[in-house]
Amino acid sequence: DAGITQSPRHKVTETGTPVTLRCHQTENHRYMYWYRQDPGHGLRLIHYSYGVKDTDKGEVSDGYSVSRSKTEDFLLTLESATSSQTSVYFCAIRGYSTDTQYFGPGTRLTVL
Amino acid sequence: TQLLEQSPQFLSIQEGENLTVYCNSSSVFSSLQWYRQEPGEGPVLLVTVVTGGEVKKLKRLTFQFGDARKDSSLHITAAQPGDTGLYLCAGEDGDYKLSFGAGTTVTVRA
Repeated sequence: DAGITQSPRHKVTETGTPVTLRCHQTENHRYMYWYRQDPGHGLRLIHYSYGVKDTDKGEVSDGYSVSRSKTEDFLLTLESATSSQTSVYFCAIRGYSTDTQYFGPGTRLTVL
Repeated sequence: TQLLEQSPQFLSIQEGENLTVYCNSSSVFSSLQWYRQEPGEGPVLLVTVVTGGEVKKLKRLTFQFGDARKDSSLHITAAQPGDTGLYLCAGEDGDYKLSFGAGTTVTVRA
């Protein structure tokens, strides 16, 4: 158990509404990541963080923003959700001294 | 475009048979990781390989990292129904970001 929780685990929302997903870690790891998983694509990186208030874009960042005001929490926001953002979202953490990412249980988001 | 190409996409075998999953890329990675994912759960790390030519064994699973650190393979000997799942390879770059393959869905029939 890598000490990662995600909330909510399931969410259904309507097109155009804002949505925030939360990732919480108890490991005090420096690096945190948000991915989305869609059939046929594996996992694709949305945004990542390499420290408090230090974030950068990943492969599929359009339509998403992130914030990290403290080490343990990494928030992913969809400012105005679209149906193309229906997906399963995973958070991951990585310690500086390890060479491995550990994943949370995922959030299934449906945008109607 | 997927940075890492996994093959095959689907694999269905009988219990007791062997299987191999391949992960290929034109990019060099600082490390390569294999994950296994079950429905409704997050990926779980199986192994990390770092050195070119490295071979790691985990019970009936054998992982190999290519000499040039661009490709890898996962071999399962005498597969069991409990090996059923989605297998994902991922390469890490120098900025600690992972690029994933699309995954191989393995089904082992009893």
